[in-house]
Amino acid sequence: NAGVMQNPRHLVRRRGQEARLRCSPMKGHSHVYWYRQLPEEGLKFMVYLQKENIIDESGMPKERFSAEFPKEGPSILRIQQVVRGDSAAYFCASSKDRGANYGYTFGSGTRLTVV
Amino acid sequence: EDQVTQSPEALRLQEGESSSLNCSYTVSGLRGLFWYRQDPGKGPEFLFTLYSAGEEKEKERLKATLTKKESFLHITAPKPEDSATYLCAVQGGYQKVTFGTGTKLQVIP
Repeated sequence: NAGVMQNPRHLVRRRGQEARLRCSPMKGHSHVYWYRQLPEEGLKFMVYLQKENIIDESGMPKERFSAEFPKEGPSILRIQQVVRGDSAAYFCASSKDRGANYGYTFGSGTRLTVV
Repeated sequence: EDQVTQSPEALRLQEGESSSLNCSYTVSGLRGLFWYRQDPGKGPEFLFTLYSAGEEKEKERLKATLTKKESFLHITAPKPEDSATYLCAVQGGYQKVTFGTGTKLQVIP
């Protein structure tokens, strides 16, 4: 009964490159959420997706960031032309229902470092 | 916009010394208040959901309570393995879950 799987765990990119972060939700979960965590700061909501649909992207920067959750395969958070300020831990979470009644199940995160 | 404020930012306790963590919140139509534990280098781990004022939940040495404006996480006779960052979060309606910045707890043997 694997939990939420995120890869890679660590990702180093040079300024201007693209970063692709992958998330496979827990089995039976169809709701996926992406959060960003900066050192000494809280988790900041980025985007909420269901299969093939973006439900809420109010926390996503308007430029360079995009997310998808295709019918088959993992959810992808894509950051184009990365800058130093994108360095952070990116967490994916999943839930069985939209109300999060049983809480979100989080992955271990991807730590992105932009050099 | 939903807001969550946690205090203190950091707390250092001797093993066995009970204390409480505070979470103050403002939300439009509370659907749930959540407590998570986060260890260094890991994702948050779900602990409790509270739905309405007066509700309480317990798990081992942890007890969470809820009023209309705040929640408390009481830690009774803590052990070193309880050291972690404890996160509070709220959800209003079917909106996104909003997290506080957490309380970093250190329990010294």
